[in-house]
Amino acid sequence: DTEVTQTPKHLVMGMTNKKSLKCEQHMGHRAMYWYKQKAKKPPELMFVYSYEKLSINESVPSRFSPECPNSSLLNLHLHALQPEDSALYLCASNPRSAGGTEAFFGQGTRLTVV
Amino acid sequence: AQTVTQSQPEMSVQEAETVTLSCTYDTSESDYYLFWYKQPPSRQMILVIRQEAYKQQNATENRFSVNFQKAAKSFSLKISDSQLGDAAMYFCAYRATLSGNTPLVFGKGTRLSVIA
Repeated sequence: DTEVTQTPKHLVMGMTNKKSLKCEQHMGHRAMYWYKQKAKKPPELMFVYSYEKLSINESVPSRFSPECPNSSLLNLHLHALQPEDSALYLCASNPRSAGGTEAFFGQGTRLTVV
Repeated sequence: AQTVTQSQPEMSVQEAETVTLSCTYDTSESDYYLFWYKQPPSRQMILVIRQEAYKQQNATENRFSVNFQKAAKSFSLKISDSQLGDAAMYFCAYRATLSGNTPLVFGKGTRLSVIA
């Protein structure tokens, strides 16, 4: 299994809603990432988890709350989002041991905030 | 801080022809990895090719090859015999050879169109 699976694929939410994005991988990778990608732009790093611990938070607003319940699962909890938070949210993973390996990406969740 | 620059926002190529996408980067590290990722309309980022900085030999993967010039900090992607399915956004990315949680640094991307 060489996949990173993200659910849901599409999400529309109101500014007062609470929702969660889910990312799962069963490759034994110990580093997992959340990226935000606007149209025609490169992915922007949001969070990095290493061995289930948050290691990098790129000054992301608190309305985004990451969680890593176990080594295979990464969640992104969303609350009180703004329309400008509408974007493609990508999850990725990397093996811990080799720094030069490529990141494996999921297909992303297309989020629309109304 | 490391930076990655892709100076061609858009490129086009005729089907079956060859195209080269440019990428330059800036780093003070001596050991690192470089990648080209493809992102088609399906949205998934797909690894095209990877180059280790300590290897002098340019990486190749079927129709895809790179021209890695370490002194010039240049890492271009050549696509030979272009196919309609090659149409996508291409991102050049850099990663320092540190721990596994070191994130990728992306360029701004080049949108490639393939003309039938």
